[in-house]
Amino acid sequence: QKEVEQNSGPLSVPEGAIASLNCTYSDRGSQSFFWYRQYSGKSPELIMFIYSNGDKEDGRFTAQLNKASQYVSLLIRDSQPSDSATYLCAAGTNSGYALNFGKGTSLLVTP
Amino acid sequence: DAGVIQSPRHEVTEMGQEVTLRCKPISGHNSLFWYRQTMMRGLELLIYFNNNVPIDDSGMPEDRFSAKMPNASFSTLKIQPSEPRDSAVYFCATLAGGGTDTQYFGPGTRLTVL
Repeated sequence: QKEVEQNSGPLSVPEGAIASLNCTYSDRGSQSFFWYRQYSGKSPELIMFIYSNGDKEDGRFTAQLNKASQYVSLLIRDSQPSDSATYLCAAGTNSGYALNFGKGTSLLVTP
Repeated sequence: DAGVIQSPRHEVTEMGQEVTLRCKPISGHNSLFWYRQTMMRGLELLIYFNNNVPIDDSGMPEDRFSAKMPNASFSTLKIQPSEPRDSAVYFCATLAGGGTDTQYFGPGTRLTVL
């Protein structure tokens, strides 16, 4: 069973701080990695994807990938209360576009 | 575009009844995914279609579950007979393909089986 593991949290950070969300995956064949945000009662929405080792930045968000360590992370700079949500990490599989999702990390940004 | 459309948004049924969930993908999207989300198990892929053909149904829990995609504009997920452990939120997601990996999720159907 290919696994994507995340700490369930909740991760609590003060407004304006950096939130760091982590994810590990077991399938060494995974080539693509995604971070989705899910507000309570809503559907997941894509924040970022990353395919290559290193960092990828998009606004306040930075995704980091280390394939040797099978580790993916998401940094959120200048965290805002509106960032409070569950963040789902997903890894691509060898079945076309199918993804394996982690169970998510709950983030709470306190004013 | 209206995005991925799912119906019904909420379904409450009794154990043993047949349940049919519906999904209309974003126009032009070639791949369609059915997921189930629970607190215990997270977001699980049930089945994945590409160009209306089932590609991977290894996540379908048992024979009580079936999915069809008769055309590019419509898919159904059927549970017959339903059981209380099927209670979950069922999401449909679609993807444009052609090198684009972003899956767009519908609003989900919250199913409660009593």
